[in-house]
Amino acid sequence: EAQVTQNPRYLITVTGKKLTVTCSQNMNHEYMSWYRQDPGLGLRQIYYSMNVEVTDKGDVPEGYKVSRKEKRNFPLILESPSPNQTSLYFCASSLMRGRSPGFITDTQYFGPGTRLTVL
Amino acid sequence: AQKVTQAQTEISVVEKEDVTLDCVYETRDTTYYLFWYKQPPSGELVFLIRRNSFDEQNEISGRYSWNFQKSTSSFNFTITASQVVDSAVYFCALLWMDSSYKLIFGSGTRLLVRP
Repeated sequence: EAQVTQNPRYLITVTGKKLTVTCSQNMNHEYMSWYRQDPGLGLRQIYYSMNVEVTDKGDVPEGYKVSRKEKRNFPLILESPSPNQTSLYFCASSLMRGRSPGFITDTQYFGPGTRLTVL
Repeated sequence: AQKVTQAQTEISVVEKEDVTLDCVYETRDTTYYLFWYKQPPSGELVFLIRRNSFDEQNEISGRYSWNFQKSTSSFNFTITASQVVDSAVYFCALLWMDSSYKLIFGSGTRLLVRP
């Protein structure tokens, strides 16, 4: 079954304790992205990646790191979590079509979400 | 600037009623892509439809239909004969065509279908 998986689905942690949220897709998608969803602010992009070893900042990258060592995985790392990072996190992936600079992404499919609480 | 507006914050209907969710977008691009996603109470984001700016044909999928009108920059979503399982938050989104390829989401419309 084609899917995007995230782990853990729920996490409660304390300020400053490093954590990693994993994201994996089995669709051979080039493009992957992390969003956070907050009440009143909607979904905002944190980081994205257009292929292995190619990552870039989205709108709200502060306090987060990512890596893309394999095509299927795109973990989100919080080195020193703070309460303002309490949120619902989504990983998304999609195909890329065309050639640079005319790339276009296909439909972005989302993982089930990770609800993170930082105390 | 790219922007998506969903003016209806919450809609409540009785089962079997038809309901239309509004979406108005702003973009300077001539080529763009619009989406609808559903977020049920369980929290996941479920893809419903994708539409590109060159295809203004309306689409119907079962009880769901979409009306895309470039002249009014609208991409409205209608559920016919609503059911309790349609209760969810529905998001309209616009694909940002720069290097980030991020989705610009509207604020969402919470639909409650009462039995």
